[in-house]
Amino acid sequence: AQSVTQLDSQVPVFEEAPVELRCNYSSSVSVYLFWYVQYPNQGLQLLLKYLSGSTLVKSINGFEAEFNKSQTSFHLRKPSVHISDTAEYFCAVKVTGGFKTIFGAGTRLFVKA
Amino acid sequence: EAGVTQFPSHSVIEKGQTVTLRCDPISGHDNLYWYRRVMGKEIKFLLHFVKESKQDESGMPNNRFLAERTGGTYSTLKVQPAELEDSGVYFCASSQDWAGGSEAFFGQGTRLTVV
Repeated sequence: AQSVTQLDSQVPVFEEAPVELRCNYSSSVSVYLFWYVQYPNQGLQLLLKYLSGSTLVKSINGFEAEFNKSQTSFHLRKPSVHISDTAEYFCAVKVTGGFKTIFGAGTRLFVKA
Repeated sequence: EAGVTQFPSHSVIEKGQTVTLRCDPISGHDNLYWYRRVMGKEIKFLLHFVKESKQDESGMPNNRFLAERTGGTYSTLKVQPAELEDSGVYFCASSQDWAGGSEAFFGQGTRLTVV
């Protein structure tokens, strides 16, 4: 069975500071990896995903995540955050060829002015 | 193009009552999923439809939950009778195919509170 651990439930950070949201997963088979974001009063949106190829994947709004197979991690980073990045971020995995998405418990990112 | 739509956005019911949640997927998406998030915990898979057929309902908590997808379009999730532990946010998602890398599009969720 697969599982996802998000190591921080809340991350407060000042605007323009860097941030890292940590994610570790457990799986005995190959998986795809995702980060979803939920802004206040909105649904979940896909932020970025790793399927294969380059282990570093990037979103259009400056986030990036690196797949580290040896450490079974998929940490999310941004070099300089904005107030508008305040949201809840979910790391998720899906077995290659499967359909069920397994989510972590989420990390609330608070960006302060 | 309209996204995944869920109704209602909020529902407060008393223990023992019945509630029906509705999800309208993106047009043309054969795959429809229900998930639930109990406060502060992870989002958990409930079940998966391919068109009108239940592909996997292994995540359904118990027989008080009934999901249907008549005609392979919208889906309903009925809780009868509701219990306090059923409170949470119920998410619906849809995708075009069920290959692992395809993106699932999520609705805003229905926040259910059982009192």
